Amino acid sequence: AQSVTQLDSQVPVFEEAPVELRCNYSSSVSVYLFWYVQYPNQGLQLLLKYLSGSTLVESINGFEAEFNKSQTSFHLRKPSVHISDTAEYFCAVRRVFGNEKLTFGTGTRLTIIP
Amino acid sequence: DSGVTQTPKHLITATGQRVTLRCSPRSGDLSVYWYQQSLDQGLQFLIQYYNGEERAKGNILERFSAQQFPDLHSELNLSSLELGDSALYFCASSPGDRSSNSPLHFGNGTRLTVT
Repeated sequence: AQSVTQLDSQVPVFEEAPVELRCNYSSSVSVYLFWYVQYPNQGLQLLLKYLSGSTLVESINGFEAEFNKSQTSFHLRKPSVHISDTAEYFCAVRRVFGNEKLTFGTGTRLTIIP
Repeated sequence: DSGVTQTPKHLITATGQRVTLRCSPRSGDLSVYWYQQSLDQGLQFLIQYYNGEERAKGNILERFSAQQFPDLHSELNLSSLELGDSALYFCASSPGDRSSNSPLHFGNGTRLTVT
């Protein structure tokens, strides 16, 4: 079975400051990794994904995440946050081979301080 | 817009009642997944259907059941409702091909409140 740990349940950050949201996973098989974002009163939106190839993946709104196999991590970073980044961020994994269901972490609430 | 449609958006009902949540997947997707999001449990996988057949089961209570119809829409039935069933219920869809690396696309959820 797979599991995901997001150690920080809440992260307050000043506007235009950098941020890192941590994600560690556990799996005995190869996995794909995802970050989803949930804005207030909305559903989950895919932010970015790691499937294979370059370990650094980027989203269209300035976020990036780096897959580190040796540390089983997939931390999410942004060099300069904006008020509109206020949301809950979920890290998720699924097996490469086998069922496609996602296993989610408990989420990190990112609050941007003006 | 993810292309996944869930109805209703909100549902308020009393303990002991039964409700049905509906989900229409993205065009072309054959798999439907149901997730429950609550404050204490986070996002929990309930069940997956692929082209009308149950494919995987997660932490779904016996009071809950689901099905996927020939037109690929899915319904999640919750019965003998308890206060603890109050949560946001998400539906997601994907092509369903196990060799595919397509991500899941989520609907906006149905917020269930049991009083």
